[in-house]
Amino acid sequence: GAGVSQSPSNKVTEKGKDVELRCDPISGHTALYWYRQSLGQGLEFLIYFQGNSAPDKSGLPSDRFSAERTGGSVSTLTIQRTQQEDSAVYLCASSLDPRNQPQHFGDGTRLSIL
Amino acid sequence: GDSVTQMEGPVTLSEEAFLTINCTYTATGYPSLFWYVQYPGEGLQLLLKATKADDKGSNKGFEATYRKETTSFHLEKGSVQVSDSAVYFCALSDDAGNMLTFGGGTRLMVKP
Repeated sequence: GAGVSQSPSNKVTEKGKDVELRCDPISGHTALYWYRQSLGQGLEFLIYFQGNSAPDKSGLPSDRFSAERTGGSVSTLTIQRTQQEDSAVYLCASSLDPRNQPQHFGDGTRLSIL
Repeated sequence: GDSVTQMEGPVTLSEEAFLTINCTYTATGYPSLFWYVQYPGEGLQLLLKATKADDKGSNKGFEATYRKETTSFHLEKGSVQVSDSAVYFCALSDDAGNMLTFGGGTRLMVKP
């Protein structure tokens, strides 16, 4: 498919474990975004990558959260020492031109912390 | 900072009724405005957008007009269908497209 692909679609883990979530953006899209969708907080921005520029990490809720984007394509969001409040749907989006083109979203990873 | 406020749901309508979902925003500069839709069990999909004042975005019978004077971007549809049942999110992005700021979402339920 030509859309944004996220894996896994569902992840259940125990409190305190580390998790990695993966995002494959649409081919050629230079901008990549991570958001979190939770019942209490709605849709929140986490981090933004644009080309080779330093990422905008202003939305990351704590230092347990980190993300990288290798080769300007695939991105991994890592949550260390997970807490129950990290339970949410993590959404990835990409855009061909962030100033002029909309963001296209993947189906998300539903993360449940036991 | 930027913010988006949209009417709380759920909104329950009968098929063929007129729909309005209100959305207002606070932002500096000249944001772009969007409506995204999330159907049950699916991801977010772009429904329509407007990039400057007085622009009208439209798609699938839905419309919204960028009103700078009232800082609003209300979503309308003349005749809703059961298949329109979903959660609708109003959003804005800043001039540089750094991120989307979302409203809280409005659940629409259309009954036959």
